Amino acid sequence: KAGVTQTPRYLIKTRGQQVTLSCSPISGHRSVSWYQQTPGQGLQFLFEYFSETQRNKGNFPGRFSGRQFSNSRSEMNVSTLELGDSALYLCASSLASGGIGETQYFGPGTRLLVL
Amino acid sequence: DQQVKQNSPSLSVQEGRISILNCDYTNSMFDYFLWYKKYPAEGPTFLISISSIKDKNEDGRFTVFLNKSAKHLSLHIVPSQPGDSAVYFCAAARAGGYQKVTFGIGTKLQVIP
Repeated sequence: KAGVTQTPRYLIKTRGQQVTLSCSPISGHRSVSWYQQTPGQGLQFLFEYFSETQRNKGNFPGRFSGRQFSNSRSEMNVSTLELGDSALYLCASSLASGGIGETQYFGPGTRLLVL
Repeated sequence: DQQVKQNSPSLSVQEGRISILNCDYTNSMFDYFLWYKKYPAEGPTFLISISSIKDKNEDGRFTVFLNKSAKHLSLHIVPSQPGDSAVYFCAAARAGGYQKVTFGIGTKLQVIP
């Protein structure tokens, strides 16, 4: 069974630009969650999508948005990029909404560098 | 404000010895705690968890201890192996909002052969 895949793996953008990251969950998984990992803050929850609906949202500004398609693939968009948005963006999938721990599987992440 | 704190950014241990990774939390509403392991260029993988109704949970070489009164948990790895070298994240969640799990910043463990 293929794992969670994220594209692209690496990305360089400049301040003010926007970026779209993609996540394909494990086949059959309907929940996709997004996290931002930075050295000083660890992993921070961005949002969760389940069956094309946003179920939960973390404490991030409106510049961070996402969506989920009918095939459960999810995209995350960051508009008006700031230097502080440089981070590893991880997505995770689970069968049901709210799945964590042993029921949740992470992808390898997309490393975003904002110059 | 860091609600989950891992105060040791790194730890080195000899192979075969015990590794002890520590984690403190401030939010008394947390009732479920997890440890994840992360290798470079890979996503975190779940390692072990503990509910607040327990004070110890074991899984093979890994044991997690929870001290609710001190708001402290620790992960013990015995015996440590070189393949355990990774970044370990402590995480905490509360009932009704498990998806909004809060992670610490991680501790990098190096097991020296």
